[in-house]
Amino acid sequence: DQQVKQNSPSLSVQEGRISILNCDYTNSMFDYFLWYKKYPAEGPTFLISISSIKDKNEDGRFTVFLNKSAKHLSLHIVPSQPGDSAVYFCAASEIMYTNAGKSTFGDGTTLTVKP
Amino acid sequence: NAGVTQTPKFQVLKTGQSMTLQCAQDMNHEYMSWYRQDPGMGLRLIHYSVGAGITDQGEVPNGYNVSRSTTEDFPLRLLSAAPSQTSVYFCASSPSPDLLTGELFFGEGSRLTVL
Repeated sequence: DQQVKQNSPSLSVQEGRISILNCDYTNSMFDYFLWYKKYPAEGPTFLISISSIKDKNEDGRFTVFLNKSAKHLSLHIVPSQPGDSAVYFCAASEIMYTNAGKSTFGDGTTLTVKP
Repeated sequence: NAGVTQTPKFQVLKTGQSMTLQCAQDMNHEYMSWYRQDPGMGLRLIHYSVGAGITDQGEVPNGYNVSRSTTEDFPLRLLSAAPSQTSVYFCASSPSPDLLTGELFFGEGSRLTVL
């Protein structure tokens, strides 16, 4: 039973346009959500996060939206750049002491931004 | 600034052999985790630690052992390697709960092939 799902394995967009990556979760105990970016042969790097008390968090070109009632979050990249081409992982965790650092990941979405 | 360092980066084992993947972090992070990533899949948690002397199992712990004798080091031991353990292994760390954002800092990964 996969608790974090990224239903689109891949996404291709034109440079300058918006990229929207989606993520769904099933565990109602999750209260913190993160997006990571991964280039080939490298470890994932943190991109942006959102707490369940918010519905939006913005950092430059990256915005994450959270819809708790739908158990859905999305990452918007505007404008998309070729350097954004990577695998994006959605992750979720419970903010409790014993569960800190214990995140559940989706399978990832490969984003390709075409020049 | 080293961050999270994993060794070796590549390893080939024969079925039944044992080995240890090393992980060290220099950020004084309390939390450390081991994940594995199989092709087309997300990261699955193997074991994690919330501090020196404390470890716990993640989603896929079978066939692996960990220990946390110091804050800096979190080695992952494969007891008797099996082909199903062929994967890319990532070590990650996370700050203390006082500064907790849930963000994980990953190493570059160790690619293991079991023949």
